[in-house]
Amino acid sequence: DGGITQSPKYLFRKEGQNVTLSCEQNLNHDAMYWYRQDPGQGLRLIYYSQIVNDFQKGDIAEGYSVSREKKESFPLTVTSAQKNPTAFYLCATKETGFGNSPLHFGNGTRLTVT
Amino acid sequence: DAKTTQPNSMESNEEEPVHLPCNHSTISGTDYIHWYRQLPSQGPEYVIHGLTSNVNNRMASLAIAEDRKSSTLILHRATLRDAAVYYCILSSNTGTASKLTFGTGTRLQVTL
Repeated sequence: DGGITQSPKYLFRKEGQNVTLSCEQNLNHDAMYWYRQDPGQGLRLIYYSQIVNDFQKGDIAEGYSVSREKKESFPLTVTSAQKNPTAFYLCATKETGFGNSPLHFGNGTRLTVT
Repeated sequence: DAKTTQPNSMESNEEEPVHLPCNHSTISGTDYIHWYRQLPSQGPEYVIHGLTSNVNNRMASLAIAEDRKSSTLILHRATLRDAAVYYCILSSNTGTASKLTFGTGTRLQVTL
């Protein structure tokens, strides 16, 4: 069954700890994206990757890091430098980084840092 | 990257048509217009997209202004299941990856 898997669905961490959110896809899509959503707000772009071993900062990259070592995987690390890490994190893929193919989203990971 | 603006919220009665507007006055000639919707605690789902001509699919219709500076998502008969936040975004067709920035969207309320 093709799709995007984000795990875990809920994640709890203590302040000062780094945490890595998983995003795996079997759609064979080239492009992958990470978005952050705060309550009642829209989606804000953190990082995106068009191809393996390449990624670019989005609008709010500070305090986050990513890697794209495999086409299927685009993990996001929320570091202790991120001032307000509690949020809903969404991973998305796209067949290519440009053009008319639509975004496909995972079901998200809700991160709570106390 | 070009930006889009949408009303914060709209209301509709069930079984009535709904027209959700989106302004994108700085759109470039190669930008596609995409619409997505998001239910609570879920990731957004794709609704429809277009470039210049009006588009129809099983979920909705997309009407694009002749100058492409605005577009309208049309739900022909709103149901309670259509209550969601609707996002309009621009997707570049150039050789570099588009940042695909989302705004705050329009929250659609559907009442009986």
